[in-house]
Amino acid sequence: EAGVAQSPRYKIIEKRQSVAFWCNPISGHATLYWYQQILGQGPKLLIQFQNNGVVDDSQLPKDRFSAERLKGVDSTLKIQPAKLEDSAVYLCASSPQGADSPLHFGNGTRLTVT
Amino acid sequence: GDSVTQMEGPVTLSEEAFLTINCTYTATGYPSLFWYVQYPGEGLQLLLKATKADDKGSNKGFEATYRKETTSFHLEKGSVQVSDSAVYFCALSLYTGNQFYFGTGTSLTVIP
Repeated sequence: EAGVAQSPRYKIIEKRQSVAFWCNPISGHATLYWYQQILGQGPKLLIQFQNNGVVDDSQLPKDRFSAERLKGVDSTLKIQPAKLEDSAVYLCASSPQGADSPLHFGNGTRLTVT
Repeated sequence: GDSVTQMEGPVTLSEEAFLTINCTYTATGYPSLFWYVQYPGEGLQLLLKATKADDKGSNKGFEATYRKETTSFHLEKGSVQVSDSAVYFCALSLYTGNQFYFGTGTSLTVIP
């Protein structure tokens, strides 16, 4: 099966600019996650979708971050305006519905804010 | 709250050495436990999992046993190879909401 696709792989922007990341999950996976991974740390959940509804966005900085999941499939994560501390790898993951299902991760987008 | 604590790194071992990476968890319910591996420039990949107490997950020579009495899920491998050099993450998931919690990761370098 095709894996989780993310684009772009790398992005460099200046602070106060905006940026968007795209994710296409594995076909049929109901749950989609966006994680932020700062260098040397574990992934931190930003937002979790179940189909096209939000399950958990408690750690999403809503003043600058937004995310949507179009028709319960693809998803975009946007940052506007970006800050230096947003430099990180943004990982998308998907999971089929059901207990004990593992996450399947994309390769991530490495964002550098200068 | 629910969380995972894993041993600090980095860890450097010689090829064929024995590996243990400690992981303990705190959870309100009965979580499933996972080990993920991240190679440079890639996303996380599932290494192994265990879904209930006393289960042993295994893959590629790695093993971990779900110990409810010690709330632990330590990763072990009897003989590491250079190709095992990566960052290892312990994680738990709760059935309710399918939420995942990750440890901070342990970097492993295996030298020939």
